[in-house]
Amino acid sequence: NAGVTQTPKFRVLKTGQSMTLLCAQDMNHEYMYWYRQDPGMGLRLIHYSVGEGTTAKGEVPDGYNVSRLKKQNFLLGLESAAPSQTSVYFCASSYTDAAAGPQHFGDGTRLSIL
Amino acid sequence: DAKTTQPNSMESNEEEPVHLPCNHSTISGTDYIHWYRQLPSQGPEYVIHGLTSNVNNRMASLAIAEDRKSSTLILHRATLRDAAVYYCILRVVNNAGNMLTFGGGTRLMVKP
Repeated sequence: NAGVTQTPKFRVLKTGQSMTLLCAQDMNHEYMYWYRQDPGMGLRLIHYSVGEGTTAKGEVPDGYNVSRLKKQNFLLGLESAAPSQTSVYFCASSYTDAAAGPQHFGDGTRLSIL
Repeated sequence: DAKTTQPNSMESNEEEPVHLPCNHSTISGTDYIHWYRQLPSQGPEYVIHGLTSNVNNRMASLAIAEDRKSSTLILHRATLRDAAVYYCILRVVNNAGNMLTFGGGTRLMVKP
């Protein structure tokens, strides 16, 4: 019962470095999401996808890019990491529109930018 | 966008019922009410959702006011494992779709 798997779980980057966070789901869900959570706060939506080959901006998209080349994978990229992007990143997926059905979350990637 | 208001924190004793309130006075007629919880160092976990009628599942019950301006998540017998941040969330419509917006939530502490 893998559900939503995020890799890596932890990462430390230097300012200006780039990296890609991988999210994989085995539930055949159409919708996938990337959120960030800063200390003591709720989650904020970065980007989302409503199906393979589609992506869209969420609440805080600046500094991030995403791709959904395969239905089961959703990649989040940081082209030039900044300290303000230090956060915990969560990926989620759902079988339908988020309004009517649950989202299933991964355990997060803890990212520190020095 | 419709917003929710929750107490910052609540305390409960183990094996007692817990009622977590949420106010959403500007809710629209088609907004679903969702509840998620987040245990320490984990991703959010879906608890329950509803539209107009009260809902029950194996984890909790959701009581929705008749005017839909408030709701209450009910944990029938709190356990230590239920200590978490509980988020009451409404659908948020933007130009491209229907999203969930997480607020600050209620931190539930369970005492043995």
